[in-house]
Amino acid sequence: DQQVKQNSPSLSVQEGRISILNCDYTNSMFDYFLWYKKYPAEGPTFLISISSIKDKNEDGRFTVFLNKSAKHLSLHIVPSQPGDSAVYFCAASGTGTASKLTFGTGTRLQVTL
Amino acid sequence: DGGITQSPKYLFRKEGQNVTLSCEQNLNHDAMYWYRQDPGQGLRLIYYSQIVNDFQKGDIAEGYSVSREKKESFPLTVTSAQKNPTAFYLCASSIDWTADISFGDGTRLSIL
Repeated sequence: DQQVKQNSPSLSVQEGRISILNCDYTNSMFDYFLWYKKYPAEGPTFLISISSIKDKNEDGRFTVFLNKSAKHLSLHIVPSQPGDSAVYFCAASGTGTASKLTFGTGTRLQVTL
Repeated sequence: DGGITQSPKYLFRKEGQNVTLSCEQNLNHDAMYWYRQDPGQGLRLIYYSQIVNDFQKGDIAEGYSVSREKKESFPLTVTSAQKNPTAFYLCASSIDWTADISFGDGTRLSIL
């Protein structure tokens, strides 16, 4: 039972345009959400997070939106750069267990010139 | 430099053999974790340890064992009971159980 789903395995975006990566979850106990970025043969690196008391969190080119009623979050990257090409994982956790994360299957983003 | 070190980067195992993956951190983190990544799947939690001398099973602990005798070390043993051990294994740590986690660079295990 996949509690965190990333339904798009891959996404291709032109440099300078917006990248939108989507994530859906089913567990209503999740209240903390994170995005990780992963290059091949490396560990994931933390990108941005959001708690359920907010609906938006921004950090430079990266913005995460949370729609609790739809159990949906999205990561926006504006403008997209070639160095953003990587696999992006969405992750979620419940109250008090921020580190016991449930991960999505990842979306491979390719930013083309 | 502070960080999480996993060794080796690539590991080969013969069928029927146990193999141990190393994970060391010098971040003074209390909590440590082992995840497994398979193609087309998200990261899945194998074992975690909230504090030294304590560890708990994650979602896919069967065929694996761990120890946490020192704060900085959390080795993972893939036993012969693990039927599909070929995967990318990621070690992670966090200051405590409630904090965001940081990952090592992983070990890719392959069966000969």
